[in-house]
Amino acid sequence: KQEVTQIPAALSVPEGENLVLNCSFTDSAIYNLQWFRQDPGKGLTSLLLIQSSQREQTSGRLNASLDKSSGRSTLYIAASQPGDSATYLCAVNGFQKLVFGTGTRLLVSP
Amino acid sequence: GAGVSQTPSNKVTEKGKYVELRCDPISGHTALYWYRQSLGQGPEFLIYFQGTGAADDSGLPNDRFFAVRPEGSVSTLKIQRTERGDSAVYLCASSPGRGGYEQYFGPGTRLTVT
Repeated sequence: KQEVTQIPAALSVPEGENLVLNCSFTDSAIYNLQWFRQDPGKGLTSLLLIQSSQREQTSGRLNASLDKSSGRSTLYIAASQPGDSATYLCAVNGFQKLVFGTGTRLLVSP
Repeated sequence: GAGVSQTPSNKVTEKGKYVELRCDPISGHTALYWYRQSLGQGPEFLIYFQGTGAADDSGLPNDRFFAVRPEGSVSTLKIQRTERGDSAVYLCASSPGRGGYEQYFGPGTRLTVT
């Protein structure tokens, strides 16, 4: 059974810092991995999708990497801004369904 | 184009009542998923449709939960004899097909059972 773990559970940083969020998973037989953002009381916004054959994906200040063999992914956020404050979830797609971690709650203070 | 929509956005019901939650996927998406998110947790898979049929319902917690997608588009999640433990946000997602496609999520329905 796939299990996804995210570390840290919460993170507080001052504006402008670069930061790394970690995601690990137990079963390397995956199709892809998605990183999502969730604002309080809201749904999920997809940030990046990495296919199993890819090593990384970039979108603006976000960069996600995937090491399938070791069961790890990282989300790198450059030059963090207060608007980045949210919960970040990673999810692995084993075939049809996504298995989510419990998220990292990020607070960026001005 | 329009994204995934879900109605109602909020639903408050009494213990023991029946509720229906609706999901309108992105037009043309053949795959539809339901997830449930409890407070402080990541979403958990409930059921997956490919077209009209439920391809995987292994996440449904018990037989009080049922979902349909009769015409391969709109889906309804039905919960009978609701319990306080059913309180959660119910999320719907769709994708262009099965397998490794990106899933697009709706805003969710917050269900509160009193």
